[in-house]
Amino acid sequence: NAGVTQTPKFQVLKTGQSMTLQCAQDMNHNSMYWYRQDPGMGLRLIYYSASEGTTDKGEVPNGYNVSRLNKREFSLRLESAAPSQTSVYFCASSERPVMEIYGYTFGSGTRLTVV
Amino acid sequence: SQQGEEDPQALSIQEGENATMNCSYKTSINNLQWYRQNSGRGLVHLILIRSNEREKHSGRLRVTLDTSKKSSSLLITASRAADTASYFCATVLYSGNTPLVFGKGTRLSVIA
Repeated sequence: NAGVTQTPKFQVLKTGQSMTLQCAQDMNHNSMYWYRQDPGMGLRLIYYSASEGTTDKGEVPNGYNVSRLNKREFSLRLESAAPSQTSVYFCASSERPVMEIYGYTFGSGTRLTVV
Repeated sequence: SQQGEEDPQALSIQEGENATMNCSYKTSINNLQWYRQNSGRGLVHLILIRSNEREKHSGRLRVTLDTSKKSSSLLITASRAADTASYFCATVLYSGNTPLVFGKGTRLSVIA
């Protein structure tokens, strides 16, 4: 089925470890996004890529880096994980950031725990 | 900072009743969208209303937008147990080419 695929679905890290969250979409979308979801906080934008070759910071970029590997793939890297980065991470994609008919398509999320 | 703020935070109703959720936002918008999130899943786009529209329907969903009050409401008619989920409003700011900004959500429980 067409959509956004995130890996892994679950991950436990120790403080200071690094990891990369992977995201791939097969809808030929230009724009991709990383959000984090914390209880009572809704979704907050970490980074986004409006088009292949560009990336921009969102509301909460500290402690993260991203790579738009190609049009399909957008990865999120935690260089030195901290307990404050315990969260559910969602990748999403769309034709462009400002959509006037359709919304964003979301992956099923990565549940990350940092101990 | 959060642009949209949903109200109430949680809502519990009986199957067959209507559910109304509200969203207020702070700055001018290009459009406003509503999403549903079932427990442990990703968000699913429900409906989009542009800033020059006042009301929009999709199946059992009715969305209104009042730009003078900077508010929107989502009405789900004849609720079903399967409607149990969290519902989020998300806004596209009027200026710039910036991504969606989400509210904190309303958790809806529909009791059979």
